[in-house]
Amino acid sequence: AAGVIQSPRHLIKEKRETATLKCYPIPRHDTVYWYQQGPGQDPQFLISFYEKMQSDKGSIPDRFSAQQFSDYHSELNMSSLELGDSALYFCASSWDYNNEQFFGPGTRLTVL
Amino acid sequence: QKEVEQNSGPLSVPEGAIASLNCTYSDRGSQSFFWYRQYSGKSPELIMFIYSNGDKEDGRFTAQLNKASQYVSLLIRDSQPSDSATYLCAVNPGNQFYFGTGTSLTVIP
Repeated sequence: AAGVIQSPRHLIKEKRETATLKCYPIPRHDTVYWYQQGPGQDPQFLISFYEKMQSDKGSIPDRFSAQQFSDYHSELNMSSLELGDSALYFCASSWDYNNEQFFGPGTRLTVL
Repeated sequence: QKEVEQNSGPLSVPEGAIASLNCTYSDRGSQSFFWYRQYSGKSPELIMFIYSNGDKEDGRFTAQLNKASQYVSLLIRDSQPSDSATYLCAVNPGNQFYFGTGTSLTVIP
C-alpha cells in the first residue's frame, strides 16, 4: 500500500540558511499535518492543511511557513535556520480531518 | 498541565507477559484516541484507535477507553522483544492531535 512520502530524508544546513521539506500524502488523503520531534521529545504539532486550506496552527515559528498544493502535496519552508531547528520533521496524512493519521518516514534536519 | 500525560517509563516486562501502558488526557471533549508505536529514529506507526468507551481488541493489542475517568490504556498480550519501542498516546479534542511524551517499553527475552 502507498505510504506518505517525504523528501529529502536527510538535510544538512548552516545557520541562517533556508530549507524546504516536501510531503506527498497517501492517495485520496486530503489532510496533511506537520510535526517537529526533537531528541527524546514527543512530536510537536506545527501546522495542518485540509483541502488545501490551513486548518490549524500549532507551535510553528514565524520563520516557518507551509502550504498545500492542488495535488495535495505540502511543503514546509524554513528560513533563518537556527541550531535549535535540528530535529526530525514528520508529515502525516489522513482522510478527512480527525481521522487517524499516517506518518511519513520523516526528514532529519541538521543545522550546523 | 499537558493535554496528554503518559508515564515515560522505562517499562520492562518479560517475554510472554502482558504490558500495560496508560494515558490520561485533560480535555473532556476529546472524541478520538490513538496509540502509536515508534522505534528509535523512525516515524510513529499507528497501532490502534478507539472512539467509544470500553475495550477494542486487535490481535495481541487491546485499547481501553474510559471517558469518565479521562483515561485510555493499551494492553499488549504475549509481549515479544520486537514490541520494544516507545508507545505514544494521541488524543484529538476536535481541533488537533496532542501527543503524550511516550512510554518506553522493553520486552526482555
